[in-house]
Amino acid sequence: SQKIEQNSEALNIQEGKTATLTCNYTNYSPAYLQWYRQDPGRGPVFLLLIRENEKEKRKERLKVTFDTTLKQSLFHITASQPADSATYLCALDMGSNYQLIWGAGTKLIIKP
Amino acid sequence: GAGVSQSPRYKVAKRGQDVALRCDPISGHVSLFWYQQALGQGPEFLTYFQNEAQLDKSGLPSDRFFAERPEGSVSTLKIQRTQQEDSAVYLCASHLGLAGGSSYNEQFFGPGTRLTVL
Repeated sequence: SQKIEQNSEALNIQEGKTATLTCNYTNYSPAYLQWYRQDPGRGPVFLLLIRENEKEKRKERLKVTFDTTLKQSLFHITASQPADSATYLCALDMGSNYQLIWGAGTKLIIKP
Repeated sequence: GAGVSQSPRYKVAKRGQDVALRCDPISGHVSLFWYQQALGQGPEFLTYFQNEAQLDKSGLPSDRFFAERPEGSVSTLKIQRTQQEDSAVYLCASHLGLAGGSSYNEQFFGPGTRLTVL
């Protein structure tokens, strides 16, 4: 079955630097891959979606890449700010049904 | 507000009690999902509704879990005879479109209900 791996350890980044989070999957590539942000005590909030045939997607300071050969998506936050501190989840949409397969998330801490 | 709301936000139950968790999705959203999220984990799928029809309940952990959405809007997740292993955050999400081959629509989540079973 499809498995997703995200860095389980928290990622500490200095303010102003670029934060890079990794999402690896094991089996066949998803049709779409989504990234969400989750703050403590809140539900996930959608950030970006990237399709199987797209290599890169950008939105303001956010950038997502998708490499189906490596079975990996990278999520970048440039010019990081303390307000970017949160847990970031990736979710795979295999395209065949409505279910999303979720990673466990990576906690990002931006230090001022 | 225009977002997904859930109530109660926190629920403490004694083992063996029944609980009911409510979700108010965004008005007009066809699809509704329930997830269970353990601490430090991602959401785990429980069940999916398309309007009032429960199309998939394969993620419900046992027959003690029951969900309904009788009028295609508000949904309730009921857990009978709660056990300690039921302690988790229960998330509700909705999205506008019909899922099934087109679930690329972003899901809108509520804040969740934190259930603690003593």
